[in-house]
Amino acid sequence: EAGVTQFPSHSVIEKGQTVTLRCDPISGHDNLYWYRRVMGKEIKFLLHFVKESKQDESGMPNNRFLAERTGGTYSTLKVQPAELEDSGVYFCASSRNTMGGYTFGSGTRLTVV
Amino acid sequence: EDQVTQSPEALRLQEGESSSLNCSYTVSGLRGLFWYRQDPGKGPEFLFTLYSAGEEKEKERLKATLTKKESFLHITAPKPEDSATYLCAVLGFGDSWGKLQFGAGTQVVVTP
Repeated sequence: EAGVTQFPSHSVIEKGQTVTLRCDPISGHDNLYWYRRVMGKEIKFLLHFVKESKQDESGMPNNRFLAERTGGTYSTLKVQPAELEDSGVYFCASSRNTMGGYTFGSGTRLTVV
Repeated sequence: EDQVTQSPEALRLQEGESSSLNCSYTVSGLRGLFWYRQDPGKGPEFLFTLYSAGEEKEKERLKATLTKKESFLHITAPKPEDSATYLCAVLGFGDSWGKLQFGAGTQVVVTP
Protein backbone atom coordinates (compact mmCIF):
# COMPACT_ATOMS: atom_id res chain seq x y z
CA GLU A 1 0.00 0.00 0.00
CA ALA A 2 1.13 3.54 -0.65
CA GLY A 3 2.42 5.39 2.39
CA VAL A 4 1.46 8.71 3.90
CA THR A 5 2.35 11.52 1.53
CA GLN A 6 3.16 15.03 2.63
CA PHE A 7 3.95 18.07 0.55
CA PRO A 8 5.75 20.20 0.18
CA SER A 9 8.78 18.50 1.66
CA HIS A 10 10.34 21.87 2.38
CA SER A 11 8.95 25.38 2.61
CA VAL A 12 10.72 28.63 3.34
CA ILE A 13 8.47 31.62 3.93
CA GLU A 14 8.76 35.07 5.42
CA LYS A 15 7.27 36.01 8.74
CA GLY A 16 3.70 37.12 8.26
CA GLN A 17 3.07 35.01 5.18
CA THR A 18 0.66 32.10 4.90
CA VAL A 19 1.64 28.49 4.31
CA THR A 20 -0.54 25.44 3.71
CA LEU A 21 0.76 21.95 4.31
CA ARG A 22 -0.98 18.95 2.83
CA CYS A 23 -1.20 15.34 3.95
CA ASP A 24 -2.58 12.38 2.02
CA PRO A 25 -3.12 9.46 4.41
CA ILE A 26 -3.15 5.79 3.53
CA SER A 27 -6.41 4.92 1.81
CA GLY A 28 -8.94 3.56 4.27
CA HIS A 29 -7.29 5.08 7.33
CA ASP A 30 -9.99 7.01 9.16
CA ASN A 31 -7.55 8.37 11.77
CA LEU A 32 -5.24 11.20 10.75
CA TYR A 33 -2.84 13.00 13.06
CA TRP A 34 -0.62 16.06 12.87
CA TYR A 35 2.53 16.29 14.95
CA ARG A 36 5.48 18.66 14.83
CA ARG A 37 9.04 18.86 16.04
CA VAL A 38 10.54 22.25 16.65
CA MET A 39 14.30 22.63 16.90
CA GLY A 40 15.79 20.70 19.79
CA LYS A 41 12.44 19.54 21.15
CA GLU A 42 10.46 16.33 21.18
CA ILE A 43 7.81 15.52 18.62
CA LYS A 44 4.58 17.07 19.88
CA PHE A 45 0.96 16.24 19.13
CA LEU A 46 -1.09 18.88 17.33
CA LEU A 47 -4.42 17.27 16.52
CA HIS A 48 -6.32 14.13 15.58
CA PHE A 49 -9.05 13.66 12.99
CA VAL A 50 -11.44 10.76 12.79
CA LYS A 51 -12.72 10.93 9.25
CA GLU A 52 -13.61 14.60 8.82
CA SER A 53 -14.20 15.34 12.51
CA LYS A 54 -11.62 16.83 14.86
CA GLN A 55 -11.32 14.36 17.72
CA ASP A 56 -8.75 16.33 19.67
CA GLU A 57 -7.11 19.63 18.75
CA SER A 58 -5.65 20.34 22.17
CA GLY A 59 -2.11 20.48 20.80
CA MET A 60 -2.73 23.31 18.34
CA PRO A 61 -0.53 26.15 19.61
CA ASN A 62 -2.86 29.05 18.81
CA ASN A 63 -5.52 30.31 16.42
CA ARG A 64 -2.98 30.99 13.68
CA PHE A 65 -3.14 27.28 12.94
CA LEU A 66 -6.12 25.83 11.09
CA ALA A 67 -6.48 22.17 10.13
CA GLU A 68 -9.12 20.76 7.85
CA ARG A 69 -10.00 17.35 6.49
CA THR A 70 -12.84 17.84 4.07
CA GLY A 71 -14.50 14.61 2.99
CA GLY A 72 -12.41 12.59 5.37
CA THR A 73 -9.59 12.06 2.91
CA TYR A 74 -6.61 14.40 2.68
CA SER A 75 -5.90 17.05 5.28
CA THR A 76 -4.42 20.53 5.18
CA LEU A 77 -2.72 22.51 7.93
CA LYS A 78 -2.63 26.24 7.35
CA VAL A 79 -0.47 28.65 9.30
CA GLN A 80 -1.57 32.26 8.97
CA PRO A 81 0.29 34.48 9.64
CA ALA A 82 3.48 32.50 10.18
CA GLU A 83 5.83 33.45 13.00
CA LEU A 84 9.49 32.57 13.50
CA GLU A 85 8.67 30.07 16.27
CA ASP A 86 6.53 28.06 13.84
CA SER A 87 9.69 26.75 12.18
CA GLY A 88 10.10 23.00 12.51
CA VAL A 89 9.17 19.71 10.92
CA TYR A 90 5.46 18.95 10.61
CA PHE A 91 4.57 15.28 10.47
CA CYS A 92 1.32 13.72 9.44
CA ALA A 93 0.39 10.16 10.36
CA SER A 94 -2.57 7.89 9.75
CA SER A 95 -3.93 4.64 11.14
CA ARG A 96 -6.89 2.28 11.00
CA ASN A 97 -7.14 2.14 14.78
CA THR A 98 -5.78 4.36 17.53
CA MET A 99 -3.37 2.09 19.39
CA GLY A 100 -0.17 3.64 18.21
CA GLY A 101 0.83 1.73 15.09
CA TYR A 102 0.68 4.92 13.10
CA THR A 103 2.28 5.32 9.69
CA PHE A 104 4.07 8.64 9.48
CA GLY A 105 4.86 10.68 6.42
CA SER A 106 8.34 12.05 5.81
CA GLY A 107 7.31 15.46 7.08
CA THR A 108 7.33 19.03 5.84
CA ARG A 109 10.26 21.12 6.99
CA LEU A 110 8.96 24.65 7.50
CA THR A 111 11.38 27.52 7.88
CA VAL A 112 10.03 30.97 8.71
CA VAL A 113 12.55 33.77 8.14
CA GLU B 1 1.25 15.63 32.43
CA ASP B 2 2.87 12.54 30.94
CA GLN B 3 6.66 12.55 30.84
CA VAL B 4 9.01 10.43 28.78
CA THR B 5 12.78 10.47 29.27
CA GLN B 6 15.12 8.54 27.03
CA SER B 7 18.74 7.67 27.72
CA PRO B 8 21.38 7.84 26.57
CA GLU B 9 20.95 10.74 24.14
CA ALA B 10 23.46 9.14 21.78
CA LEU B 11 25.09 5.75 21.50
CA ARG B 12 27.96 4.65 19.32
CA LEU B 13 28.39 0.90 18.86
CA GLN B 14 30.71 -1.36 16.99
CA GLU B 15 29.01 -3.85 14.70
CA GLY B 16 28.07 -6.87 16.82
CA GLU B 17 28.28 -4.96 20.13
CA SER B 18 24.93 -5.45 21.87
CA SER B 19 23.43 -2.68 24.00
CA SER B 20 20.21 -1.36 25.52
CA LEU B 21 18.30 1.90 25.30
CA ASN B 22 16.17 3.15 28.17
CA CYS B 23 12.80 4.88 28.20
CA SER B 24 11.53 6.04 31.59
CA TYR B 25 7.97 7.27 31.78
CA THR B 26 5.50 8.91 34.10
CA VAL B 27 1.88 8.57 33.12
CA SER B 28 -1.47 8.43 34.86
CA GLY B 29 -2.25 4.88 33.81
CA LEU B 30 -0.54 3.42 30.76
CA ARG B 31 -2.62 2.54 27.73
CA GLY B 32 0.44 1.68 25.69
CA LEU B 33 4.13 2.34 25.16
CA PHE B 34 5.43 2.56 21.62
CA TRP B 35 8.85 2.31 20.03
CA TYR B 36 9.61 3.96 16.71
CA ARG B 37 12.70 4.17 14.57
CA GLN B 38 13.50 7.35 12.65
CA ASP B 39 16.02 7.72 9.85
CA PRO B 40 17.34 11.14 8.80
CA GLY B 41 14.84 13.04 6.66
CA LYS B 42 12.10 10.49 7.28
CA GLY B 43 9.15 10.18 9.60
CA PRO B 44 9.08 7.77 12.55
CA GLU B 45 8.62 4.12 11.61
CA PHE B 46 6.55 2.01 14.00
CA LEU B 47 8.34 -0.88 15.68
CA PHE B 48 6.40 -2.14 18.72
CA THR B 49 3.51 -1.53 21.08
CA LEU B 50 3.73 -2.77 24.68
CA TYR B 51 0.67 -2.70 26.93
CA SER B 52 1.54 -4.15 30.32
CA ALA B 53 4.48 -4.77 32.62
CA GLY B 54 6.32 -7.96 31.80
CA GLU B 55 5.43 -7.86 28.13
CA GLU B 56 8.16 -8.37 25.52
CA LYS B 57 8.19 -7.95 21.75
CA GLU B 58 10.89 -8.93 19.26
CA LYS B 59 11.71 -8.02 15.70
CA GLU B 60 14.93 -9.18 14.10
CA ARG B 61 17.75 -7.82 16.29
CA LEU B 62 15.45 -5.67 18.42
CA LYS B 63 13.69 -6.67 21.62
CA ALA B 64 11.50 -4.36 23.67
CA THR B 65 10.57 -4.97 27.29
CA LEU B 66 8.30 -3.11 29.70
CA THR B 67 8.15 -2.57 33.45
CA LYS B 68 5.86 -0.30 35.45
CA LYS B 69 8.30 2.61 35.19
CA GLU B 70 10.44 2.03 32.11
CA SER B 71 10.98 0.22 28.88
CA PHE B 72 14.17 -1.08 27.33
CA LEU B 73 15.01 -1.57 23.70
CA HIS B 74 17.73 -4.19 23.40
CA ILE B 75 19.77 -4.27 20.22
CA THR B 76 21.50 -7.62 19.79
CA ALA B 77 24.55 -7.89 17.52
CA PRO B 78 23.71 -4.64 15.71
CA LYS B 79 24.55 -4.00 12.09
CA PRO B 80 25.28 -0.62 10.45
CA GLU B 81 21.73 -0.59 9.05
CA ASP B 82 20.44 -0.39 12.63
CA SER B 83 21.84 3.14 12.81
CA ALA B 84 18.89 5.48 13.45
CA THR B 85 17.19 7.53 16.14
CA TYR B 86 14.97 5.38 18.33
CA LEU B 87 11.93 7.09 19.79
CA CYS B 88 9.77 6.03 22.70
CA ALA B 89 6.21 7.32 23.13
CA VAL B 90 3.44 6.73 25.65
CA LEU B 91 -0.32 6.98 25.62
CA GLY B 92 -1.94 7.38 29.00
CA PHE B 93 -5.50 6.89 30.15
CA GLY B 94 -5.62 10.63 30.78
CA ASP B 95 -4.89 11.31 27.12
CA SER B 96 -7.20 11.23 24.17
CA TRP B 97 -6.66 8.42 21.70
CA GLY B 98 -3.97 9.41 19.29
CA LYS B 99 -2.19 11.88 21.56
CA LEU B 100 1.19 10.22 21.90
CA GLN B 101 3.79 11.77 24.19
CA PHE B 102 7.23 11.29 22.65
CA GLY B 103 10.65 11.25 24.26
CA ALA B 104 13.60 13.08 22.72
CA GLY B 105 15.05 9.90 21.28
CA THR B 106 18.35 8.03 21.36
CA GLN B 107 20.59 8.44 18.32
CA VAL B 108 22.34 5.14 17.59
CA VAL B 109 25.35 4.87 15.28
CA VAL B 110 26.68 1.40 14.46
CA THR B 111 30.11 1.33 12.83
CA PRO B 112 31.49 -1.59 10.81
